[in-house]
Amino acid sequence: SSALTQPPSVSVSPGQTASITCSGDILGNRFVFWYQQKPGQSPVQVIYHDSKRPSGIPERFSGSSSGNTATLTISGTQAMDEADYYCQAWDRSAGVFGTGTKVTVL
Amino acid sequence: EVQLVESGGGLVQPGGSLRLSCAASGVTFKNYEMHWVRQVKGKGLEWVSGIGTVGDTYYLDSVKGRFTISREDAKNSLYLQMNNLRAGDTAVYFCARESLDDGFDIWGQGTTVTVSS
Repeated sequence: SSALTQPPSVSVSPGQTASITCSGDILGNRFVFWYQQKPGQSPVQVIYHDSKRPSGIPERFSGSSSGNTATLTISGTQAMDEADYYCQAWDRSAGVFGTGTKVTVL
Repeated sequence: EVQLVESGGGLVQPGGSLRLSCAASGVTFKNYEMHWVRQVKGKGLEWVSGIGTVGDTYYLDSVKGRFTISREDAKNSLYLQMNNLRAGDTAVYFCARESLDDGFDIWGQGTTVTVSS
């Protein structure tokens, strides 16, 4: 199966660490990408190649991947980080997105 | 500034057709693979189709035979011809650039397709 599974929601207090997992059989030997999407906006890439940050993305965003699970970590979470987050990988030439995780900053 | 602008969305009856367009600016369009990604209101992202720099095309299984992706590099434009539309195709359709690192680094603002009688 090419499905990528994420927890539906994660809650975090301001200044604390939020971790979002992404699991799927196709992750074993493929790079993972992460996107942030705020309400009414287009997605923005926050991590590429498992752990690299695009220019302009704050250092508090980090990523890792091991085996069939990838993790996006937001350290020192800020109110502005409240959004939906999606992982993504390639299954041959087809894009596959994760189920999405809503991060709530309480 | 690199920008993608979609157009062509609208209301169409089941079985009808629409052609979406995506105009790129600020980028050497021909050097990049391009994709369409859709999102049902309140739901997650779903990759729909992609086209390589030499015209190779890829599709989500549920749209194969109904949707056709194409590009016109001279006009910096990407297209999605959608035929035999179904209610399940109702969504916001985004065009997205695949970066040289293989992720989607630039997204358009989206265009809404509604399939309803």
